[in-house]
Amino acid sequence: GENVEQHPSTLSVQEGDSAVIKCTYSDSASNYFPWYKQELGKRPQLIIDIRSNVGEKKDQRIAVTLNKTAKHFSLHITETQPEDSAVYFCAASKSGNTPLVFGKGTRLSVIA
Amino acid sequence: NAGVTQTPKFQVLKTGQSMTLQCAQDMNHNSMYWYRQDPGMGLRLIYYSASEGTTDKGEVPNGYNVSRLNKREFSLRLESAAPSQTSVYFCASSEEGTLGGYTFGSGTRLTVV
Repeated sequence: GENVEQHPSTLSVQEGDSAVIKCTYSDSASNYFPWYKQELGKRPQLIIDIRSNVGEKKDQRIAVTLNKTAKHFSLHITETQPEDSAVYFCAASKSGNTPLVFGKGTRLSVIA
Repeated sequence: NAGVTQTPKFQVLKTGQSMTLQCAQDMNHNSMYWYRQDPGMGLRLIYYSASEGTTDKGEVPNGYNVSRLNKREFSLRLESAAPSQTSVYFCASSEEGTLGGYTFGSGTRLTVV
């Protein structure tokens, strides 16, 4: 089955700097790659997703890139703010009724 | 619109006790899921229901059972709780498959002593 590896497990950046979180996946048939943000004590919330027919997607300060050949995808957050501090999870799945497989998460701390 | 509602929010059980975690969604989603979240382990799939009337095992199904009661409700049952089942449990739902991503419930923090 699918296996998703996520790095780093923790990341500290200065406010205003960029943050990059990377994930690799094992199943070449996977074609949907969402990212979730989980604040302390809260539920995970979808922040951006990408499908295999595109290589990059942006939404204001966040972007996701996908390299299907290498089977990896990344989350980029620019101009980080303290409210970006949270745990971020990547995930992957095939289309249809295949559940998401999640990475183990990255704890991002933005230092003011 | 409540989205995905989970009950209870907190629960303490003694080893060997049983309980059912309830989950309901009001978004007319076909698919529903139960995940557990443990420190450093991410979210691991326990069981899922691709559509009303079907259920399938996930990565960590041992010690759990599920019931898809109708399109709205998907419950998770622990028949004989063990300390290893201490975790935060999240229910989620989605449209057909993973289109549009998951909507998660607020979670149930379960402690088994």
